[in-house]
Amino acid sequence: DGGITQSPKYLFRKEGQNVTLSCEQNLNHDAMYWYRQDPGQGLRLIYYSQIVNDFQKGDIAEGYSVSREKKESFPLTVTSAQKNPTAFYLCASSLGTAREKLFFGSGTQLSVL
Amino acid sequence: QQQVKQSPQSLIVQKGGISIINCAYENTAFDYFPWYQQFPGKGPALLIAIRPDVSEKKEGRFTISFNKSAKQFSLHIMDSQPGDSATYFCAADRPAQGGSEKLVFGKGTKLTVNP
Repeated sequence: DGGITQSPKYLFRKEGQNVTLSCEQNLNHDAMYWYRQDPGQGLRLIYYSQIVNDFQKGDIAEGYSVSREKKESFPLTVTSAQKNPTAFYLCASSLGTAREKLFFGSGTQLSVL
Repeated sequence: QQQVKQSPQSLIVQKGGISIINCAYENTAFDYFPWYQQFPGKGPALLIAIRPDVSEKKEGRFTISFNKSAKQFSLHIMDSQPGDSATYFCAADRPAQGGSEKLVFGKGTKLTVNP
């Protein structure tokens, strides 16, 4: 089955710790995205990448980092600089731009210990 | 600055009723308006989308109505079913100047359809 796989489903972060969220897609999509979802706040774009080895900051990139070394993979690192990391994180991909339909993973719930 | 305002925040409808969710925008450059449906613990999925050259688009029980002059668009769910209970997000996009970063989402509406 083609789709987007996010792991882990649940993740806990200790104070001062960096954690990495995995996102893999086998849809052969060029573009990949990371969104943060907070209750009642909608979806906010953290980072996006339209091609391998290139990525752009979204609206709330501070405290996060990404890499795009392979077309199918777009991991997100939540660094210790992100002071309020508790949220539901969604990875998505699209063939080209977002108007060509975003395909989302099932998300990772990150909580702070 | 919230570019897409969505209302209501939550909505309770009886089975068989009509659910209506509204969105408004300011940026006249927006030219693509998708709706996404999200079930608890899952990622959103594209439900239906419209472009401003039409005033209405229908897919099964789901209809988007678009009012370009008022800069508003709405989702109507006819004959609402308990299985429609989910969070619905409207979004807006403008022609790519380098893509998808232009897609902006409303804050979502949690729909509950009672049996």
